[in-house]
Amino acid sequence: GIQVEQSPPDLILQEGANSTLRCNFSDSVNNLQWFHQNPWGQLINLFYIPSGTKQNGRLSATTVATERYSLLYISSSQTTDSGVYFCAVEPDSNYQLIWGAGTKLIIKP
Amino acid sequence: DTGVSQDPRHKITKRGQNVTFRCDPISEHNRLYWYRQTLGQGPEFLTYFQNEAQLEKSRLLSDRFSAERPKGSFSTLEIQRTEQGDSAMYLCASSLRTADPFFGPGTRLTVL
Repeated sequence: GIQVEQSPPDLILQEGANSTLRCNFSDSVNNLQWFHQNPWGQLINLFYIPSGTKQNGRLSATTVATERYSLLYISSSQTTDSGVYFCAVEPDSNYQLIWGAGTKLIIKP
Repeated sequence: DTGVSQDPRHKITKRGQNVTFRCDPISEHNRLYWYRQTLGQGPEFLTYFQNEAQLEKSRLLSDRFSAERPKGSFSTLEIQRTEQGDSAMYLCASSLRTADPFFGPGTRLTVL
């Protein structure tokens, strides 16, 4: 089945820093999404981005479907950005999302 | 609408017991998903409902697991004869389309 790899696995930054998280996937997909899981376990959908670039405030994401990767950019990090960021893909003709193992981000004040 | 709710939030049970979890989706959402998440991992898909029809089941969903969504509203996930390996966070999500799932807070199961 399709493989989803995220890097780096862990990232520790000072408040105000910028970061780039990467998601590689092994086959073509219908859909790619980025999620944030806060320290209390709540998952929030950040972006639906099968291709192209989207921005929402300090966060933006780019997916290059032909090269099978996606990037999540976080600018001017805040402590509330801490948590785990997951990339999830929907393989062709399938309802389920296949998730990466996540990038654990810690923002220090 | 207050979002997706799950009950209970925590469940501790002894090996061999049966447990049942409930998920109440956002009212207008016709799609409902169950996922399982263990520590340090991303969620794993378990099953998917569109309205009351269960359209997809993962091979992870052994015969000890059963899910229902009567009348296309709330859903229940039952685990029979629990094993220690069933300990995990069980997440429910609902959506109008695959692209935009809203997740509940999860039910954390501990099997002793």
